[in-house]
Amino acid sequence: EPEVTQTPSHQVTQMGQEVILRCVPISNHLYFYWYRQILGQKVEFLVSFYNNEISEKSEIFDDQFSVERPDGSNFTLKIRSTKLEDSAMYFCASTLDGGTEAFFGQGTRLTVV
Amino acid sequence: GEDVEQSLFLSVREGDSSVINCTYTDSSSTYLYWYKQEPGAGLQLLTYIFSNMDMKQDQRLTVLLNKKDKHLSLRIADTQTGDSAIYFCAVARAGNQFYFGTGTSLTVIP
Repeated sequence: EPEVTQTPSHQVTQMGQEVILRCVPISNHLYFYWYRQILGQKVEFLVSFYNNEISEKSEIFDDQFSVERPDGSNFTLKIRSTKLEDSAMYFCASTLDGGTEAFFGQGTRLTVV
Repeated sequence: GEDVEQSLFLSVREGDSSVINCTYTDSSSTYLYWYKQEPGAGLQLLTYIFSNMDMKQDQRLTVLLNKKDKHLSLRIADTQTGDSAIYFCAVARAGNQFYFGTGTSLTVIP
């Protein structure tokens, strides 16, 4: 079965540091997403990406966040200056057509200390 | 935005059927999903249904959609201890963000 791969699985960083979370979506998929889940809370949408540009973003996705597809396979989320409240599980997802069969990665647990 | 609600907990005996319910508010939602999350793990896609369908069956899983009431349910037949997990309902319009419910924690009692 195809899968979305995320690295690292767990990252610990100091407050104020930059982090880059990496994702390899399913190879023929065209729509890419980042979501996060703060412990015990709902899964929240951050951003969607299609045709090399952001198609939608939430209020959470402020100027501290950016996404990039640097090559044909990776999709990254950068947090420029991490805050304690950025601690969460971050999920990458991809779909072929923006709807059917949205696959999520295993997540990166980000801990900001 | 969309509001997706689920009950927080469900407990069933092994071998019984489980029914997990979900309600949503946006009638233009096109795709409706069920995901399973085991402790410390990611979101595993279980099944999805289009808004123009009433029902979808996939082995032990049956999804029912009442579009008029904006109600989605997931029935797991012959529930096993390995089905213990958190189940998330999610809804979306094509190309748009997913809206997730709070998740229902299913506990299967042997």
